Amino acid sequence: EVQLVQSGAEVKKPGESLKISCKASGYTFTSHWISWVRQMPGRGLEWMGNIFRDDSDTTYSPALQGQITISADKSFNTAYLQWSSLKASDTAIYYCARHRDRSGSGLDFWGQGTQVTVSS
Amino acid sequence: QSVLTQTPSVSGAPGQRVTISCTGSSSNIGAGYGVHWYQQLPGTAPKLLIYDTWNRPSGVPDRFSASKSGTSASLAITGLQAEDEADYYCQSYDNSLSTSLFGGGTKLTVL
Repeated sequence: EVQLVQSGAEVKKPGESLKISCKASGYTFTSHWISWVRQMPGRGLEWMGNIFRDDSDTTYSPALQGQITISADKSFNTAYLQWSSLKASDTAIYYCARHRDRSGSGLDFWGQGTQVTVSS
Repeated sequence: QSVLTQTPSVSGAPGQRVTISCTGSSSNIGAGYGVHWYQQLPGTAPKLLIYDTWNRPSGVPDRFSASKSGTSASLAITGLQAEDEADYYCQSYDNSLSTSLFGGGTKLTVL
């Protein structure tokens, strides 16, 4: 059974760093791209970026380039999303999701979401 | 304003047919990139309903279908059920922005 299990909710202050995780199981981790998707409170879905196998195959939304880092450790079948300096506007639910096959394909399995709250 | 434009809300009575549109441009849907559709029930993660414009993953009822024409795509739901009440999102790739995009979402209300 394919599963993406994300790390738990986080409460941080502006300026702090954060790294959240997405552990995959039930399939060959290195065969599928993984995307990160943001959903700000009461808002729609926003594609953030994706990764294939390891850090050498990573693409970012131009709007978020430089603000986030997506990485992966194939030894642990885990993808990561990190910030070096959080802002209040980073408050959102963050989902990881697996692409069916190629990078542009639909997202067929999703994590449960990680709530990130940034507040002073 | 999203690059992929969706009507904010639609509604229908049980048993009826509704359609949800996703209007793009020549740099995304019109360029031939696949369109994917997702259903998000309140408080849950999105679920893939349609991939690559027309295809249903296994387990998705055939009440859900999709089509594309020019720079627009649409999702049709027939035999509307109360459990269909959710937010629906389209997704595609845009080659001028060099990014994958979601539409702004459509809230479906079952009357």
